[in-house]
Order: sequence, then structure tokens, then C-alpha cells
Amino acid sequence: DTAVSQTPKYLVTQMGNDKSIKCEQNLGHDTMYWYKQDSKKFLKIMFSYNNKELIINETVPNRFSPKSPDKAHLNLHINSLELGDSAVYFCASRLRSRATEAFFGQGTRLTVV
Amino acid sequence: AQTVTQSQPEMSVQEAETVTLSCTYDTSESDYYLFWYKQPPSRQMILVIRQEAYKQQNATENRFSVNFQKAAKSFSLKISDSQLGDAAMYFCAWGLDAGGTSYGKLTFGQGTILTVHP
Repeated sequence: DTAVSQTPKYLVTQMGNDKSIKCEQNLGHDTMYWYKQDSKKFLKIMFSYNNKELIINETVPNRFSPKSPDKAHLNLHINSLELGDSAVYFCASRLRSRATEAFFGQGTRLTVV
Repeated sequence: AQTVTQSQPEMSVQEAETVTLSCTYDTSESDYYLFWYKQPPSRQMILVIRQEAYKQQNATENRFSVNFQKAAKSFSLKISDSQLGDAAMYFCAWGLDAGGTSYGKLTFGQGTILTVHP
């Protein structure tokens, strides 16, 4: 009964392709995030949704488009993949109304070749 | 802008001994949260300990404790009786309450790789 689960765990694809990463949480949280961990292990926020509404959109290329069909799901679609998109992408969730920590998924390692 | 700095790219410790990982941050906020996350080779981000800035008492979780110095904007992690399973990358993170305008996003430090020698 994984709390925050991402699929796939690994993704290898060619430049120019379009791919999606899915995230689901069963914690009843109302706020979900996408973080990117680059090759130097640096973690940075990309997007956040609260109750299906986009609330954080950091400086991210337009090729990245998050979608939240409901509070428990947050997907990340990436168009026209580039070599520089290779990274580990983490989904996380928390309750906005409480001062609690974020729970992370296991990450998706994306490799663009 | 908030920044979090971990000045130690790598640290090592002998099993059963104590090690301290450093973290400093910069913010103009007065009410915030600080976290230490552990990332083992499995890649999973695991919360180790959290500290609310309004609390003067340092947080403790079993062998893990913090030294929170609000005025100095310092938040170090002490691991006592180190175990082989503590070997991982450790990230310091800063965040506001999720109910605020930052919506609880976390700002991370660069990470410290901890090696535990048997």
C-alpha cells in the first residue's frame, strides 16, 4: 500500500519523443508537486497542484505540462524530449491545511538518448 | 529568495560514532519549517526529522537530532551511533506552511553524501 507511487520507475526514450509520467497518492492529500533532480542531485520544484488547480509553475519549458485529473493524481507530460531533460522526476504530496511534511514517490529516472 | 546551503559535499564516519551534517539557509520569513531528508541508493526520499522555526526546542528522532540556531540560520543534523544503513545522501530543506502563498514548496540544499565505514 504505497503512499505515493509513480510510474514508470525508469524511462528511456529518444530525443523528440513525447512521454508521460504518472503519480498517484492514497494519503488523502490535497496538494501535489513535481520536483526535478538533475545529474548533480540538485532538487528543484517544477509544479504544484492544489485540489486540481495549478498553483505553482516555476520557470519550466512549455514542453512540460502537468495535469491533475483529480486530487489523488498528478501526471507530467513532456513533449519533444531533449537530452537535457534527462533527470529523476519526483512526485510529492502533502495536506495544505496542516503543517506536515511532504511525502515523496520513489522517483522516475528519465534518460533521453 | 530563499536559499539553502550544505557546505559539505561529502562526509564519512565510522560505524557507531557520531557525525554532524551542516546546513545554513537564508530567509526573511519568521515562521517556517526545516527538514532533513535521506536519499539512499534506492532513490526514495525519506524524511529523517523536521523542525518548526517557532519551537525553540531542538527536534529529536531516536539517533537523529538537530541543532537549530534561528538567529544564525543554521540547522545541523547529528547522527549518533552511526549504522551502515545510514549511508545515503542527506538533503536539508526549507519550506513555509502549505497554507501560505508558497503552497508548501520545499527549497533544497545541494546534498551531503554520507559514507559509513564498518
